[in-house]
Amino acid sequence: QVQLVESGGGVVQTGRSLRLSCAASGFTFPIFPMHWVRQAPGKGLEWVAFLSNDGSSDSYADSAKGRFTISRDNSRNTLYLQMNSLGEDDTATYYCARDRDDGSFDYWGQGTLVTFSS
Amino acid sequence: SYVLTQPPSVSVAPGKTARITCGGDNIGGKSVHWYQQKPGQAPVLLIYSTTDRPSGIPERFSGSNSGNAAALTISRVEAGDEADYYCQVWDSLIYHWFFGGGTKLTVL
Repeated sequence: QVQLVESGGGVVQTGRSLRLSCAASGFTFPIFPMHWVRQAPGKGLEWVAFLSNDGSSDSYADSAKGRFTISRDNSRNTLYLQMNSLGEDDTATYYCARDRDDGSFDYWGQGTLVTFSS
Repeated sequence: SYVLTQPPSVSVAPGKTARITCGGDNIGGKSVHWYQQKPGQAPVLLIYSTTDRPSGIPERFSGSNSGNAAALTISRVEAGDEADYYCQVWDSLIYHWFFGGGTKLTVL
């Protein structure tokens, strides 16, 4: 069955960096576009970044542009999100999600939490 | 930026029909997707391409879209349907994805 397992979250300080990973299994990872979506505590869903199946095309929400980089290693069936210059507004659970190739997200991971320490 | 507007909350009695709206400028011309999220869980795709259900999603869940509003309709509501519901669209011109603010469904 399709599984997406995120990791790499934790407690960070303002201005630091963090890299999230999403290990995919149960499907042919290289043929699907992928996304990162986040959810601040008690808030709604916010799309963060998109990456095409072959990694050649990406897109970012305004909140992530210039600070976050989405990438993938199709040989390792893994999606990444490099997050730099983190601030308290980035506190959230970060989900990776598979795109059905119609703009909808048909499978989601369980999420990884990023929080801040002053 | 494309704004999707959902009511913060909807309440319904068991066995009745719930309708959750999602407003957006000319959303009728877009493909709308819906997600259900229960506390402490990841979202689940309920409806894709406005009206289609993934396998395993009950027929009680249906979607519609016209003009400036899309809607998710839940028939014969059950206690287990209590959750947050989100609409979502993809702007294929700018390759951005947008979510509505979410609607908390309470089953009375």
